Amino acid sequence: QKEVEQNSGPLSVPEGAIASLNCTYSDRGSQSFFWYRQYSGKSPELIMSIYSNGDKEDGRFTAQLNKASQYVSLLIRDSQPSDSATYLCAVCTESSASKIIFGSGTRLSIRP
Amino acid sequence: AAGVIQSPRHLIKEKRETATLKCYPIPRHDTVYWYQQGPGQDPQFLISFYEKMQSDKGSIPDRFSAQQFSDYHSELNMSSLELGDSALYFCASSLGTAILSGNTIYFGEGSWLTVV
Repeated sequence: QKEVEQNSGPLSVPEGAIASLNCTYSDRGSQSFFWYRQYSGKSPELIMSIYSNGDKEDGRFTAQLNKASQYVSLLIRDSQPSDSATYLCAVCTESSASKIIFGSGTRLSIRP
Repeated sequence: AAGVIQSPRHLIKEKRETATLKCYPIPRHDTVYWYQQGPGQDPQFLISFYEKMQSDKGSIPDRFSAQQFSDYHSELNMSSLELGDSALYFCASSLGTAILSGNTIYFGEGSWLTVV
Protein backbone atom coordinates (compact mmCIF):
# COMPACT_ATOMS: atom_id res chain seq x y z
CA GLN A 1 0.00 0.00 0.00
CA LYS A 2 1.33 3.39 -0.94
CA GLU A 3 1.67 5.90 1.85
CA VAL A 4 -0.40 8.45 -0.04
CA GLU A 5 -3.16 7.29 -2.37
CA GLN A 6 -4.95 9.31 -5.02
CA ASN A 7 -7.24 8.43 -7.89
CA SER A 8 -5.15 8.99 -11.00
CA GLY A 9 -8.08 10.24 -13.04
CA PRO A 10 -8.47 11.88 -15.42
CA LEU A 11 -11.24 13.77 -13.69
CA SER A 12 -13.28 15.80 -16.17
CA VAL A 13 -15.32 18.70 -14.84
CA PRO A 14 -17.29 21.32 -16.80
CA GLU A 15 -16.14 24.92 -16.55
CA GLY A 16 -17.76 26.70 -13.64
CA ALA A 17 -18.48 23.51 -11.69
CA ILE A 18 -16.87 22.27 -8.48
CA ALA A 19 -13.94 19.88 -8.82
CA SER A 20 -13.41 17.51 -5.89
CA LEU A 21 -10.05 15.81 -5.42
CA ASN A 22 -9.47 13.16 -2.79
CA CYS A 23 -6.48 11.70 -1.02
CA THR A 24 -5.97 9.09 1.70
CA TYR A 25 -2.83 8.43 3.69
CA SER A 26 -1.67 5.46 5.72
CA ASP A 27 0.48 6.94 8.51
CA ARG A 28 -1.69 8.07 11.43
CA GLY A 29 1.28 10.12 12.65
CA SER A 30 1.04 12.44 9.65
CA GLN A 31 1.06 16.05 10.74
CA SER A 32 1.12 18.29 7.70
CA PHE A 33 -0.82 18.02 4.47
CA PHE A 34 -0.32 19.81 1.21
CA TRP A 35 -1.93 20.12 -2.18
CA TYR A 36 0.34 20.96 -5.09
CA ARG A 37 -0.63 21.75 -8.67
CA GLN A 38 1.69 20.61 -11.42
CA TYR A 39 1.48 21.49 -15.09
CA SER A 40 3.15 19.12 -17.49
CA GLY A 41 6.92 19.50 -17.39
CA LYS A 42 6.76 22.14 -14.67
CA SER A 43 7.54 22.10 -10.97
CA PRO A 44 4.88 21.49 -8.31
CA GLU A 45 3.27 24.69 -7.09
CA LEU A 46 1.80 24.84 -3.59
CA ILE A 47 -1.95 25.46 -3.62
CA MET A 48 -2.96 24.77 -0.03
CA SER A 49 -1.53 23.49 3.23
CA ILE A 50 -3.61 22.21 6.14
CA TYR A 51 -2.57 21.02 9.58
CA SER A 52 -5.73 20.60 11.66
CA ASN A 53 -9.07 18.88 11.19
CA GLY A 54 -11.75 20.79 9.35
CA ASP A 55 -11.89 23.11 6.37
CA LYS A 56 -9.46 25.74 5.21
CA GLU A 57 -10.52 28.12 2.48
CA ASP A 58 -8.35 30.26 0.21
CA GLY A 59 -10.12 31.93 -2.68
CA ARG A 60 -11.69 29.28 -4.91
CA PHE A 61 -9.85 26.49 -3.07
CA THR A 62 -10.97 24.64 0.05
CA ALA A 63 -8.92 21.94 1.72
CA GLN A 64 -10.63 19.51 4.05
CA LEU A 65 -8.84 17.30 6.57
CA ASN A 66 -10.23 14.40 8.57
CA LYS A 67 -7.44 12.77 10.56
CA ALA A 68 -9.73 10.09 12.03
CA SER A 69 -10.53 8.87 8.53
CA GLN A 70 -6.99 9.67 7.26
CA TYR A 71 -8.51 11.64 4.46
CA VAL A 72 -7.74 14.99 2.90
CA SER A 73 -9.53 16.61 -0.01
CA LEU A 74 -9.35 19.67 -2.21
CA LEU A 75 -12.37 21.44 -3.63
CA ILE A 76 -12.01 23.87 -6.50
CA ARG A 77 -15.02 26.13 -6.99
CA ASP A 78 -15.90 27.86 -10.27
CA SER A 79 -13.43 25.65 -12.15
CA GLN A 80 -11.51 27.37 -14.93
CA PRO A 81 -9.71 25.84 -17.93
CA SER A 82 -6.46 27.07 -16.37
CA ASP A 83 -7.12 24.70 -13.45
CA SER A 84 -6.47 21.76 -15.77
CA ALA A 85 -3.35 20.14 -14.33
CA THR A 86 -2.20 17.28 -12.15
CA TYR A 87 -2.93 17.79 -8.47
CA LEU A 88 -0.51 16.15 -6.06
CA CYS A 89 -1.44 15.38 -2.49
CA ALA A 90 1.58 15.43 -0.16
CA VAL A 91 1.98 14.44 3.45
CA CYS A 92 4.63 15.01 6.08
CA THR A 93 4.75 12.39 8.81
CA GLU A 94 5.94 12.62 12.39
CA SER A 95 8.46 9.85 11.76
CA SER A 96 9.88 11.52 8.68
CA ALA A 97 9.71 15.15 9.59
CA SER A 98 12.24 16.28 7.01
CA LYS A 99 10.48 15.22 3.84
CA ILE A 100 7.10 15.24 2.22
CA ILE A 101 5.70 12.19 0.47
CA PHE A 102 3.67 12.65 -2.66
CA GLY A 103 0.74 10.72 -3.99
CA SER A 104 0.72 9.78 -7.64
CA GLY A 105 -1.49 12.73 -8.50
CA THR A 106 -4.93 13.22 -10.05
CA ARG A 107 -5.18 14.63 -13.54
CA LEU A 108 -7.93 17.24 -13.68
CA SER A 109 -9.39 18.42 -16.96
CA ILE A 110 -11.79 21.36 -17.07
CA ARG A 111 -13.88 21.24 -20.21
CA PRO A 112 -15.23 24.56 -21.59
CA ALA B 1 10.59 37.31 -4.71
CA ALA B 2 13.62 35.07 -5.13
CA GLY B 3 12.79 31.44 -5.78
CA VAL B 4 14.70 28.17 -5.72
CA ILE B 5 17.26 28.22 -8.50
CA GLN B 6 18.40 25.04 -10.19
CA SER B 7 21.10 24.54 -12.76
CA PRO B 8 21.49 23.38 -15.37
CA ARG B 9 17.91 23.33 -16.59
CA HIS B 10 18.66 20.71 -19.21
CA LEU B 11 21.45 18.17 -19.34
CA ILE B 12 22.21 15.36 -21.77
CA LYS B 13 24.71 12.71 -20.73
CA GLU B 14 25.77 9.35 -22.04
CA LYS B 15 25.54 6.10 -20.10
CA ARG B 16 28.23 5.65 -17.47
CA GLU B 17 28.99 9.37 -17.41
CA THR B 18 28.74 11.63 -14.37
CA ALA B 19 26.39 14.56 -13.84
CA THR B 20 26.15 17.26 -11.19
CA LEU B 21 23.02 19.26 -10.48
CA LYS B 22 23.06 22.42 -8.41
CA CYS B 23 20.40 23.98 -6.24
CA TYR B 24 20.33 27.42 -4.67
CA PRO B 25 17.59 27.67 -2.05
CA ILE B 26 15.49 30.70 -1.29
CA PRO B 27 17.59 33.14 0.79
CA ARG B 28 17.55 32.26 4.51
CA HIS B 29 16.13 28.79 3.85
CA ASP B 30 18.19 26.19 5.67
CA THR B 31 16.57 22.97 4.43
CA VAL B 32 16.99 21.51 0.98
CA TYR B 33 15.22 18.52 -0.54
CA TRP B 34 15.92 16.58 -3.74
CA TYR B 35 13.21 14.75 -5.65
CA GLN B 36 13.29 12.67 -8.83
CA GLN B 37 10.27 12.56 -11.14
CA GLY B 38 10.22 10.09 -13.99
CA PRO B 39 7.83 10.53 -16.93
CA GLY B 40 4.25 10.17 -15.74
CA GLN B 41 5.31 9.44 -12.18
CA ASP B 42 4.98 11.29 -8.89
CA PRO B 43 8.04 12.98 -7.39
CA GLN B 44 10.15 10.49 -5.43
CA PHE B 45 12.07 11.77 -2.43
CA LEU B 46 15.83 11.26 -2.71
CA ILE B 47 17.51 13.08 0.14
CA SER B 48 17.28 16.17 2.33
CA PHE B 49 19.64 18.40 4.27
CA TYR B 50 19.07 20.65 7.26
CA GLU B 51 21.76 23.09 8.32
CA LYS B 52 24.30 21.35 6.08
CA MET B 53 23.71 17.93 7.60
CA GLN B 54 21.82 15.10 5.93
CA SER B 55 18.44 14.93 7.61
CA ASP B 56 16.67 12.18 5.72
CA LYS B 57 17.35 9.70 2.97
CA GLY B 58 14.90 8.19 0.57
CA SER B 59 15.24 6.15 -2.58
CA ILE B 60 18.56 7.60 -3.60
CA PRO B 61 20.79 5.09 -5.46
CA ASP B 62 24.26 4.41 -4.10
CA ARG B 63 25.61 5.88 -7.34
CA PHE B 64 24.23 9.26 -6.26
CA SER B 65 25.54 11.51 -3.55
CA ALA B 66 24.65 14.96 -2.37
CA GLN B 67 25.75 17.60 0.06
CA GLN B 68 24.80 21.01 1.33
CA PHE B 69 27.48 23.66 1.50
CA SER B 70 28.14 26.48 3.96
CA ASP B 71 26.13 28.92 1.83
CA TYR B 72 23.24 26.40 1.94
CA HIS B 73 23.36 25.57 -1.73
CA SER B 74 23.27 21.89 -2.53
CA GLU B 75 24.70 19.66 -5.23
CA LEU B 76 23.48 16.26 -6.39
CA ASN B 77 26.22 14.16 -7.94
CA MET B 78 25.21 11.24 -10.12
CA SER B 79 27.76 8.74 -11.37
CA SER B 80 27.67 5.71 -13.67
CA LEU B 81 24.52 7.11 -15.23
CA GLU B 82 21.92 4.67 -16.51
CA LEU B 83 19.12 5.17 -19.00
CA GLY B 84 16.63 4.89 -16.14
CA ASP B 85 18.12 7.96 -14.49
CA SER B 86 16.50 10.11 -17.17
CA ALA B 87 14.05 12.24 -15.23
CA LEU B 88 13.18 15.67 -13.97
CA TYR B 89 15.10 16.42 -10.79
CA PHE B 90 13.54 18.91 -8.43
CA CYS B 91 15.16 20.73 -5.62
CA ALA B 92 13.01 22.33 -2.94
CA SER B 93 13.77 24.44 0.08
CA SER B 94 12.12 25.51 3.30
CA LEU B 95 12.90 27.42 6.46
CA GLY B 96 13.10 24.64 8.98
CA THR B 97 11.90 21.12 8.34
CA ALA B 98 8.62 20.25 6.75
CA ILE B 99 6.88 18.99 9.87
CA LEU B 100 6.55 22.35 11.53
CA SER B 101 3.23 24.02 10.92
CA GLY B 102 3.51 26.92 8.59
CA ASN B 103 6.76 25.83 6.99
CA THR B 104 6.16 25.86 3.29
CA ILE B 105 8.28 23.89 0.87
CA TYR B 106 9.02 25.68 -2.37
CA PHE B 107 10.15 23.87 -5.49
CA GLY B 108 12.60 24.95 -8.14
CA GLU B 109 11.82 24.65 -11.84
CA GLY B 110 13.72 21.38 -12.07
CA SER B 111 16.63 20.05 -14.06
CA TRP B 112 15.89 17.76 -16.97
CA LEU B 113 18.43 14.97 -17.22
CA THR B 114 18.45 12.83 -20.33
CA VAL B 115 20.76 9.83 -20.43
CA VAL B 116 21.42 8.44 -23.90
